[in-house]
Amino acid sequence: NAGVTQTPKFQVLKTGQSMTLQCAQDMNHNSMYWYRQDPGMGLRLIYYSASEGTTDKGEVPNGYNVSRLNKREFSLRLESAAPSQTSVYFCASIPPSGRGPQETQYFGPGTRLLVL
Amino acid sequence: DAKTTQPPSMDCAEGRAANLPCNHSTISGNEYVYWYRQIHSQGPQYIIHGLKNNETNEMASLIITEDRKSSTLILPHATLRDTAVYYCIVKRGFGNEKLTFGTGTRLTIIP
Repeated sequence: NAGVTQTPKFQVLKTGQSMTLQCAQDMNHNSMYWYRQDPGMGLRLIYYSASEGTTDKGEVPNGYNVSRLNKREFSLRLESAAPSQTSVYFCASIPPSGRGPQETQYFGPGTRLLVL
Repeated sequence: DAKTTQPPSMDCAEGRAANLPCNHSTISGNEYVYWYRQIHSQGPQYIIHGLKNNETNEMASLIITEDRKSSTLILPHATLRDTAVYYCIVKRGFGNEKLTFGTGTRLTIIP
């Protein structure tokens, strides 16, 4: 049971390049999330997926697209990277809803992205 | 979701109890208080949550005032490994509801 995994761990891009950040969880969770964290700031929600086949915008969706490929995988795509997207990206998942407030989000280790 | 206010930083001596305050004066009746921490840029880690009663687990205790407008996270015997940013979050008690993170409290444990 690996929990939430993210690839790559580090990435350097040039302005205008595209890339996809991968996230996978092996805990049979329904909901998955993508956050970004800028230096000295809290996490901000980019997109989330309540279940396979559904995605919704979070607080800062501009410049990103997501795909919920299946129950396990939730990817984040930058079509044309900009320096303002330099950040640490965290993926998270949560157990199936219905079990109440004791459910908590499990976070991956993060992807550190630098856009030059 | 209700907003929270936390001090930006705190220090605590190793072995002492660390008390981290959080104000959430606009909390609604169906909203819970959650605490997470983030150690050195790792992914956030869940600590504890509560509605109105005090809660305790193997990591910490959570004290919520009677009017629910503030709470305190207590780490009873702080160690150096507890140095982290601690986030107080208020949200409804549905598991798949998104978390809204503020800037948290940076807790430094002093040897």
